[in-house]
Amino acid sequence: GENVEQHPSTLSVQEGDSAVIKCTYSDSASNYFPWYKQELGKGPQLIIDIRSNVGEKKDQRIAVTLNKTAKHFSLHITETQPEDSAVYFCAASIVRGSQGNLIFGKGTKLSVKP
Amino acid sequence: NAGVTQTPKFQVLKTGQSMTLQCAQDMNHNSMYWYRQDPGMGLRLIYYSASEGTTDKGEVPNGYNVSRLNKREFSLRLESAAPSQTSVYFCASKVSDAPGELFFGEGSRLTVL
Repeated sequence: GENVEQHPSTLSVQEGDSAVIKCTYSDSASNYFPWYKQELGKGPQLIIDIRSNVGEKKDQRIAVTLNKTAKHFSLHITETQPEDSAVYFCAASIVRGSQGNLIFGKGTKLSVKP
Repeated sequence: NAGVTQTPKFQVLKTGQSMTLQCAQDMNHNSMYWYRQDPGMGLRLIYYSASEGTTDKGEVPNGYNVSRLNKREFSLRLESAAPSQTSVYFCASKVSDAPGELFFGEGSRLTVL
């Protein structure tokens, strides 16, 4: 089945620096790659997603890149702020018939130091 | 607009007891999901309901049952709780079973002693 590997598991940066989180997936049929942010005590919330027909997508300070050949995708956060501190999850969507269930990576705890 | 509401938020059980986690969404979504989150393990799919009247197993269904009561509600039942089921449980929903944004509840923390 699909497997999603996420690195690093923890990341600490200074406020204003950039942060990069990387994920690889195993199922070449996957075609949807979202990123979720989870704040303490809350449920995960979608921050950005990309589909396999696009190589890069940007939304203000966050961007996602996708390399289908290498089967990896990355989240880039620029000009980090303390409120970016959270756990970030990547995911890939298994395609089986009409089903699009997500398989999640194990998460990256990002700490942004003021 | 409440989104996805889960109850209870916290629960402590003894081994062998049963309980049901309730989930309701008010976004008129067709698909609903139950995940569990364990430290260092990410989010793992337990069961899902692609549409009202259907349910299917996810990655880790053993020890659980589900009921899609109607379009709004999707419950998760532990018939005989085990310590390995100590976890944080998240209900989620989305518009359809096609790839798209999942909306999560705030979670239910379950401890089995």
